[in-house]
Amino acid sequence: EIVLTQSPAILSLSPGERATLSCRASQSVNVYLAWYQQKPGQAPRLLIYDASNRATGIPARFSGSGSGTDFTLTISSLEPEDLAVYYCQQRSAWPLTFGPGTKVGIK
Amino acid sequence: QVQLVESGGGVVQPGRSLRLSCAASGFIFRSSGLHWVRQAPGKGLQWVSVISHDGSNKYADSVKGRFIISRDNFKNTLYLQMNSLRAEDTAVYYCVRDTASDGGGHGFDVWGRGTMVTVSS
Repeated sequence: EIVLTQSPAILSLSPGERATLSCRASQSVNVYLAWYQQKPGQAPRLLIYDASNRATGIPARFSGSGSGTDFTLTISSLEPEDLAVYYCQQRSAWPLTFGPGTKVGIK
Repeated sequence: QVQLVESGGGVVQPGRSLRLSCAASGFIFRSSGLHWVRQAPGKGLQWVSVISHDGSNKYADSVKGRFIISRDNFKNTLYLQMNSLRAEDTAVYYCVRDTASDGGGHGFDVWGRGTMVTVSS
């Protein structure tokens, strides 16, 4: 099973600041990595697929990069509505696995 | 609009069974790969099972041999039969659509709101 680790566990930033979230895989997943956003009390939402492609309707301030074992989700200018937990997910091998999440808080 | 609505959750004793349903609308159900994903209270996401458009399926090791995923393409409904339930199965269960018909696509692009399953005596 491919294990994903995310850092930091918690990130607290002010509106307008840049947020950088990391996801590392225990073995290469090529570019088969997705990012999801889960706001409080809601189901998750697909943000990024195949490491760097924004899903439909996702604002341009969200971007993804990386390949192999190291990936990054960047929020270029944090908005108050970006308060959420962000999960990475690998789709390279079964079973599909998620990272433990990064909680993004707004100062 | 594209929608997934789960039902069937509740409180059940350890060792008993429960069947979850997920009613789909707004898209071509029979062509879609579908998953169940769960989230224990205050915890992260865990993939549970997938069924492709042609009925092939896979399971997480933690539920293999206890849970059965199935679909009815005439009723546009996904199911999860959960047997021999354990306390650690307590979670919100989400029905999810994959971007690919075989369930191994780019990501989970449609999520239901989830149904809560509590396993407790």
